[in-house]
Amino acid sequence: AQSVAQPEDQVNVAEGNPLTVKCTYSVSGNPYLFWYVQYPNRGLQFLLKYITGDNLVKGSYGFEAEFNKSQTSFHLKKPSALVSDSALYFCAVSSDSNYQLIWGAGTKLIIKP
Amino acid sequence: EAQVTQNPRYLITVTGKKLTVTCSQNMNHEYMSWYRQDPGLGLRQIYYSMNVEVTDKGDVPEGYKVSRKEKRNFPLILESPSPNQTSLYFCASSLSAGVRNYGYTFGSGTRLTVV
Repeated sequence: AQSVAQPEDQVNVAEGNPLTVKCTYSVSGNPYLFWYVQYPNRGLQFLLKYITGDNLVKGSYGFEAEFNKSQTSFHLKKPSALVSDSALYFCAVSSDSNYQLIWGAGTKLIIKP
Repeated sequence: EAQVTQNPRYLITVTGKKLTVTCSQNMNHEYMSWYRQDPGLGLRQIYYSMNVEVTDKGDVPEGYKVSRKEKRNFPLILESPSPNQTSLYFCASSLSAGVRNYGYTFGSGTRLTVV
Protein backbone atom coordinates (compact mmCIF):
# COMPACT_ATOMS: atom_id res chain seq x y z
CA ALA A 1 0.00 0.00 0.00
CA GLN A 2 1.12 3.53 -0.69
CA SER A 3 1.92 5.77 2.23
CA VAL A 4 3.52 9.10 2.97
CA ALA A 5 4.91 10.44 6.22
CA GLN A 6 5.68 13.93 7.40
CA PRO A 7 7.58 13.25 10.60
CA GLU A 8 7.37 16.78 12.01
CA ASP A 9 4.10 18.31 13.13
CA GLN A 10 5.73 21.72 13.30
CA VAL A 11 8.95 23.33 12.11
CA ASN A 12 10.21 26.62 13.49
CA VAL A 13 12.74 28.68 11.54
CA ALA A 14 14.09 32.19 11.93
CA GLU A 15 13.52 34.54 9.03
CA GLY A 16 16.42 34.49 6.61
CA ASN A 17 17.55 31.00 7.59
CA PRO A 18 17.21 27.98 5.31
CA LEU A 19 14.23 25.74 5.89
CA THR A 20 13.52 22.06 5.32
CA VAL A 21 10.20 20.28 5.63
CA LYS A 22 10.58 16.52 5.54
CA CYS A 23 8.60 13.93 3.60
CA THR A 24 9.17 10.22 3.13
CA TYR A 25 7.08 7.85 1.09
CA SER A 26 6.42 4.22 0.26
CA VAL A 27 5.01 3.12 -3.10
CA SER A 28 5.02 0.23 -5.51
CA GLY A 29 6.36 1.37 -8.84
CA ASN A 30 7.66 4.80 -9.73
CA PRO A 31 6.55 7.61 -7.43
CA TYR A 32 4.90 10.86 -8.38
CA LEU A 33 5.47 13.35 -5.59
CA PHE A 34 3.80 16.64 -4.79
CA TRP A 35 4.01 19.52 -2.32
CA TYR A 36 1.07 21.74 -1.54
CA VAL A 37 0.77 24.74 0.78
CA GLN A 38 -2.28 25.87 2.75
CA TYR A 39 -2.49 29.40 4.06
CA PRO A 40 -4.99 30.18 6.84
CA ASN A 41 -8.61 30.01 5.70
CA ARG A 42 -7.57 29.06 2.19
CA GLY A 43 -7.59 25.96 0.03
CA LEU A 44 -4.45 24.06 -0.85
CA GLN A 45 -2.17 25.49 -3.51
CA PHE A 46 0.19 23.50 -5.68
CA LEU A 47 3.90 24.21 -5.06
CA LEU A 48 5.82 21.66 -7.08
CA LYS A 49 5.93 18.08 -8.28
CA TYR A 50 8.37 15.37 -9.24
CA ILE A 51 7.36 13.00 -12.02
CA THR A 52 10.66 12.12 -13.67
CA GLY A 53 13.96 13.74 -14.61
CA ASP A 54 16.19 15.91 -12.43
CA ASN A 55 16.11 15.04 -8.77
CA LEU A 56 16.03 18.72 -7.80
CA VAL A 57 12.66 20.26 -8.60
CA LYS A 58 12.03 23.99 -8.45
CA GLY A 59 8.58 25.36 -7.68
CA SER A 60 6.62 28.42 -6.70
CA TYR A 61 7.67 31.10 -4.19
CA GLY A 62 11.34 30.06 -4.29
CA PHE A 63 10.74 26.56 -2.95
CA GLU A 64 12.49 23.48 -4.22
CA ALA A 65 12.45 19.80 -3.35
CA GLU A 66 14.95 17.02 -3.75
CA PHE A 67 13.88 13.54 -4.77
CA ASN A 68 16.06 10.88 -3.16
CA LYS A 69 15.15 7.42 -4.40
CA SER A 70 17.46 5.49 -2.08
CA GLN A 71 16.10 7.25 0.99
CA THR A 72 12.53 7.40 -0.41
CA SER A 73 12.36 11.06 0.52
CA PHE A 74 11.14 14.27 -1.06
CA HIS A 75 12.09 17.06 1.33
CA LEU A 76 10.92 20.61 0.69
CA LYS A 77 13.56 23.33 0.98
CA LYS A 78 14.07 27.05 0.69
CA PRO A 79 17.42 28.84 1.05
CA SER A 80 16.09 31.86 2.93
CA ALA A 81 12.78 31.76 4.79
CA LEU A 82 10.26 34.60 4.81
CA VAL A 83 7.66 35.29 7.49
CA SER A 84 5.06 34.98 4.73
CA ASP A 85 6.11 31.33 4.22
CA SER A 86 4.36 30.48 7.49
CA ALA A 87 1.65 28.01 6.54
CA LEU A 88 0.66 24.35 6.56
CA TYR A 89 2.56 22.19 4.08
CA PHE A 90 1.35 18.88 2.70
CA CYS A 91 3.30 16.21 0.87
CA ALA A 92 1.38 13.81 -1.38
CA VAL A 93 2.33 10.74 -3.42
CA SER A 94 0.87 8.64 -6.19
CA SER A 95 2.58 6.25 -8.58
CA ASP A 96 2.45 4.64 -11.97
CA SER A 97 0.79 1.62 -10.35
CA ASN A 98 -1.74 3.56 -8.23
CA TYR A 99 -2.84 6.98 -9.42
CA GLN A 100 -4.75 7.95 -6.26
CA LEU A 101 -3.04 10.68 -4.29
CA ILE A 102 -2.13 9.79 -0.72
CA TRP A 103 -1.61 12.75 1.60
CA GLY A 104 0.66 13.32 4.53
CA ALA A 105 -0.73 14.73 7.77
CA GLY A 106 0.81 18.13 7.14
CA THR A 107 3.61 20.14 8.73
CA LYS A 108 3.02 23.57 10.23
CA LEU A 109 5.85 25.88 9.28
CA ILE A 110 6.40 28.91 11.50
CA ILE A 111 8.87 31.56 10.43
CA LYS A 112 9.79 33.97 13.19
CA PRO A 113 11.01 37.51 12.47
CA GLU B 1 -10.15 32.55 -14.05
CA ALA B 2 -9.66 28.81 -13.72
CA GLN B 3 -11.04 27.76 -10.38
CA VAL B 4 -12.98 25.38 -8.20
CA THR B 5 -15.90 27.04 -6.43
CA GLN B 6 -17.40 25.64 -3.26
CA ASN B 7 -20.47 26.87 -1.46
CA PRO B 8 -21.14 27.68 1.26
CA ARG B 9 -17.85 28.69 2.91
CA TYR B 10 -19.29 28.27 6.38
CA LEU B 11 -22.27 26.26 7.57
CA ILE B 12 -23.69 25.51 10.99
CA THR B 13 -26.47 22.97 11.05
CA VAL B 14 -28.28 20.62 13.41
CA THR B 15 -28.01 16.87 13.64
CA GLY B 16 -30.15 15.09 11.08
CA LYS B 17 -30.92 18.03 8.80
CA LYS B 18 -29.97 17.15 5.23
CA LEU B 19 -27.50 19.45 3.55
CA THR B 20 -25.64 19.80 0.27
CA VAL B 21 -22.27 21.40 -0.33
CA THR B 22 -21.85 22.40 -3.95
CA CYS B 23 -18.65 22.21 -5.99
CA SER B 24 -18.17 23.50 -9.51
CA GLN B 25 -15.09 23.71 -11.73
CA ASN B 26 -14.63 25.64 -14.96
CA MET B 27 -11.57 23.84 -16.33
CA ASN B 28 -13.29 20.92 -18.06
CA HIS B 29 -11.54 18.57 -15.64
CA GLU B 30 -12.49 14.91 -15.74
CA TYR B 31 -11.51 14.04 -12.19
CA MET B 32 -13.12 15.51 -9.08
CA SER B 33 -12.80 14.60 -5.45
CA TRP B 34 -14.01 15.49 -1.97
CA TYR B 35 -11.76 15.57 1.08
CA ARG B 36 -12.22 16.32 4.71
CA GLN B 37 -9.44 17.85 6.74
CA ASP B 38 -9.17 17.23 10.46
CA PRO B 39 -6.33 18.31 12.77
CA GLY B 40 -3.51 15.76 12.83
CA LEU B 41 -5.17 13.58 10.20
CA GLY B 42 -4.33 15.50 7.07
CA LEU B 43 -6.64 15.12 4.09
CA ARG B 44 -8.87 12.10 3.86
CA GLN B 45 -10.71 11.32 0.67
CA ILE B 46 -14.48 10.91 0.93
CA TYR B 47 -15.54 10.22 -2.66
CA TYR B 48 -14.11 10.77 -6.08
CA SER B 49 -15.34 10.81 -9.66
CA MET B 50 -13.37 9.83 -12.72
CA ASN B 51 -15.93 11.35 -15.09
CA VAL B 52 -19.64 12.00 -15.55
CA GLU B 53 -21.79 9.32 -13.92
CA VAL B 54 -18.67 7.58 -12.54
CA THR B 55 -18.17 7.87 -8.78
CA ASP B 56 -16.37 5.76 -6.22
CA LYS B 57 -15.74 5.63 -2.50
CA GLY B 58 -12.62 7.06 -0.95
CA ASP B 59 -11.25 6.30 2.48
CA VAL B 60 -14.09 7.74 4.59
CA PRO B 61 -17.36 7.55 2.60
CA GLU B 62 -19.75 6.67 5.45
CA GLY B 63 -22.49 9.26 5.92
CA TYR B 64 -21.88 10.97 2.59
CA LYS B 65 -23.28 10.78 -0.93
CA VAL B 66 -22.18 12.37 -4.18
CA SER B 67 -23.41 12.66 -7.74
CA ARG B 68 -21.78 13.61 -11.03
CA LYS B 69 -24.52 14.37 -13.53
CA GLU B 70 -22.54 17.07 -15.27
CA LYS B 71 -18.81 17.35 -15.79
CA ARG B 72 -18.47 20.64 -13.96
CA ASN B 73 -20.48 19.87 -10.81
CA PHE B 74 -19.80 17.43 -7.98
CA PRO B 75 -22.06 18.09 -4.98
CA LEU B 76 -21.48 16.48 -1.59
CA ILE B 77 -24.63 15.41 0.22
CA LEU B 78 -25.02 14.68 3.91
CA GLU B 79 -28.39 12.98 4.28
CA SER B 80 -28.39 12.97 8.08
CA PRO B 81 -25.42 14.93 9.42
CA SER B 82 -23.92 14.01 12.77
CA PRO B 83 -21.48 15.90 15.01
CA ASN B 84 -18.58 13.66 13.92
CA GLN B 85 -18.96 15.16 10.46
CA THR B 86 -17.93 18.56 11.79
CA SER B 87 -14.88 19.29 9.68
CA LEU B 88 -13.28 21.37 6.96
CA TYR B 89 -14.24 20.07 3.52
CA PHE B 90 -12.40 20.58 0.27
CA CYS B 91 -13.39 19.86 -3.28
CA ALA B 92 -10.59 19.30 -5.79
CA SER B 93 -10.38 18.68 -9.51
CA SER B 94 -7.75 17.48 -11.93
CA LEU B 95 -7.45 17.09 -15.66
CA SER B 96 -7.05 13.39 -15.13
CA ALA B 97 -6.33 11.03 -12.26
CA GLY B 98 -4.35 8.73 -14.49
CA VAL B 99 -0.67 8.24 -15.09
CA ARG B 100 1.53 11.26 -14.42
CA ASN B 101 -0.96 12.90 -12.16
CA TYR B 102 -1.51 16.48 -13.20
CA GLY B 103 -1.98 17.73 -9.69
CA TYR B 104 -5.15 19.09 -8.17
CA THR B 105 -6.87 22.45 -8.07
CA PHE B 106 -8.63 22.98 -4.76
CA GLY B 107 -11.65 24.97 -3.74
CA SER B 108 -11.42 27.39 -0.81
CA GLY B 109 -13.08 25.00 1.59
CA THR B 110 -16.33 24.66 3.51
CA ARG B 111 -16.20 24.71 7.28
CA LEU B 112 -19.12 22.62 8.52
CA THR B 113 -20.28 22.48 12.12
CA VAL B 114 -22.97 20.01 13.13
CA VAL B 115 -24.51 20.61 16.55
